[in-house]
Amino acid sequence: KQEVTQIPAALSVPEGENLVLNCSFTDSAIYNLQWFRQDPGKGLTSLLLIQSSQREQTSGRLNASLDKSSGRSTLYIAASQPGDSATYLCAVSGAGSYQLTFGKGTKLSVIP
Amino acid sequence: GAGVSQSPSNKVTEKGKDVELRCDPISGHTALYWYRQSLGQGLEFLIYFQGNSAPDKSGLPSDRFSAERTGGSVSTLTIQRTQQEDSAVYLCASSLGAVANYGYTFGSGTRLTVV
Repeated sequence: KQEVTQIPAALSVPEGENLVLNCSFTDSAIYNLQWFRQDPGKGLTSLLLIQSSQREQTSGRLNASLDKSSGRSTLYIAASQPGDSATYLCAVSGAGSYQLTFGKGTKLSVIP
Repeated sequence: GAGVSQSPSNKVTEKGKDVELRCDPISGHTALYWYRQSLGQGLEFLIYFQGNSAPDKSGLPSDRFSAERTGGSVSTLTIQRTQQEDSAVYLCASSLGAVANYGYTFGSGTRLTVV
C-alpha cells in the first residue's frame, strides 16, 4: 500500500527566504505526482503536476523535482512571501490508477 | 462552470440525521471524485465516477455512504444516520479524463459537523 510522508509538518520562515518542502513515497511505481496548496477553510489548488517520466516542473517561483527511484519529491519556493502561507500537500497517483494518495501536508508560515 | 462548485459550504447536523452534499464539476470533465479530509488526517478517497461506467465505490467507509452522478454531471454524496466520526471536510474533484495525467481540480469542500 502506497504511503506518502511530508516533512516537516510545519515550517516558519522570514519573508524573502528560499525554502524546500519534502515529500517521500514508499512505492516508486507512480504515474505522476502533484503538489497542491490548501488555504484555511478552502479546497485544494493544484500547483504543479510532474509525470513519472519527468524530473522537474517549474511555475513562477515554484520548482518541483521528482526522483522516482528513490521515492522523493521536493517543492522549492524562491523568495517566499507572506501570501505563500498555506498548507502544501503532496499526492501521488499509482500506475494505472486514478486514485491519489496524499501526504498530511506541511503547514508553511512566512513571517513579514 | 469555471471551477468545481460544492454546496453547502458548511453543514451542521444532529447525529442520526441524513445529509446530502452536492458537487457540480467543471463542464466537460468526465471524471469526478469524492475525498474526505478529517482533522489531522490526510485526504481519503471515497468514490470515483467516469462517464457512464459503474462507479468505483471501494473507498466508501460504510453502507451509510452512497453517491450518485446524474447525467454525467452533478453528483450527490449522501450520508445516512450520521455519526460524529463522519465530521470532516468532504472534497469533490473533477478531471478531463480517467487517468490522472490531466491533474485534478478540487472544489472548496463542504465542512460537515455532526453534533
